[in-house]
Amino acid sequence: DTAVSQTPKYLVTQMGNDKSIKCEQNLGHDTMYWYKQDSKKFLKIMFSYNNKELIINETVPNRFSPKSPDKAHLNLHINSLELGDSAVYFCASSLSDRAAKNIQYFGAGTRLSVL
Amino acid sequence: DAKTTQPPSMDCAEGRAANLPCNHSTISGNEYVYWYRQIHSQGPQYIIHGLKNNETNEMASLIITEDRKSSTLILPHATLRDTAVYYCIVRVGPGNTGKLIFGQGTTLQVKP
Repeated sequence: DTAVSQTPKYLVTQMGNDKSIKCEQNLGHDTMYWYKQDSKKFLKIMFSYNNKELIINETVPNRFSPKSPDKAHLNLHINSLELGDSAVYFCASSLSDRAAKNIQYFGAGTRLSVL
Repeated sequence: DAKTTQPPSMDCAEGRAANLPCNHSTISGNEYVYWYRQIHSQGPQYIIHGLKNNETNEMASLIITEDRKSSTLILPHATLRDTAVYYCIVRVGPGNTGKLIFGQGTTLQVKP
């Protein structure tokens, strides 16, 4: 059983297209995240949702729109894809309960290539 | 910006202890130190975390200096599967709004 699963694993698309990446966790966590890892391997947080509510929104172009239909899912929709959006996108989840110490569990990543 | 600095790379012989240092001189009193690792082409994996006291789990030990300005992650018996990028992270911000700010990490190469 995969705890945090992302689909698709690979995504190749043309500039200007709109695409979505899905994330689901079966850990019973209430907080989910999206991170971007660029070609230089820097891993940066983009968004965080707690119980379907947006709580972290870093300086990310508004072409990126996260959506959380329930606390087990956090999807990332990207409009008008640009070459610079090529990266690996990681979803993560954690439990906000203080005792859980916000340990984050990551998915395997979605490698997005914009041509 | 990450609040931690780590050496960019280290080597370790298989079966020996790997000691990975981390400086976090600007850490605040209630900020935790976390260690994650990322094996090639996989998502980051949690290893251990601590506040003041030394910690040990099935994966590693974490030694935090008394002034909390630095720490060391110890993998007691490194194996080839421990080859990865190791990130030392100070979690910034309170409660749900806290963030893990990843730096460049240390690339650990375990050699036979």
